[in-house]
Amino acid sequence: EPEVTQTPSHQVTQMGQEVILRCVPISNHLYFYWYRQILGQKVEFLVSFYNNEISEKSEIFDDQFSVERPDGSNFTLKIRSTKLEDSAMYFCASRGGRDTEAFFGQGTRLTVV
Amino acid sequence: RKEVEQDPGPFNVPEGATVAFNCTYSNSASQSFFWYRQDCRKEPKLLMSVYSSGNEDGRFTAQLNRASQYISLLIRDSKLSDSATYLCVVKAPQAGTALIFGKGTTLSVSS
Repeated sequence: EPEVTQTPSHQVTQMGQEVILRCVPISNHLYFYWYRQILGQKVEFLVSFYNNEISEKSEIFDDQFSVERPDGSNFTLKIRSTKLEDSAMYFCASRGGRDTEAFFGQGTRLTVV
Repeated sequence: RKEVEQDPGPFNVPEGATVAFNCTYSNSASQSFFWYRQDCRKEPKLLMSVYSSGNEDGRFTAQLNRASQYISLLIRDSKLSDSATYLCVVKAPQAGTALIFGKGTTLSVSS
């Protein structure tokens, strides 16, 4: 069964450092997302990406964050200068159509120390 | 007011029990509704979509009341493997295709 894959599964970084979280969406999917979940809290939408551009973003997705689809298969989330409060599980998701099921990757646990 | 609110739980039930989860959403223009399941430290997985007419998938029944902005999930004959957090999820029109998650209700089924 096709799946969304994320790397790394766990990343520890020092405050102020840049991190790049990587995702490989399902190959024929068109819509891509990043969500995050702080420990013990709800899953929160960060950004969606369609047709090679950001289609929507939440208030959380400020200038510290950026997304890219550099080569037609990978979908990355960059956090420029990490803060302690960026520690969370980051989930990538993709869907084939606007109203089809969203499939989530297994997540990257980011720990900022 | 939170966009999607759920019973906080946890629900602790014996095997074979019937358990119901409730959820309310704030945006009356919301169009699509789902229940997701999340195991500890894992990704959310779609359990079922929720339709106005109500829908059933084996032991799981989901219902939607648009007038009350209320969604429910009923699990019959609970199994140990049903232990998880159940997330009420809404796709609101102003958010395009993004999903809005509730905080989830934790279910623990014991033998």
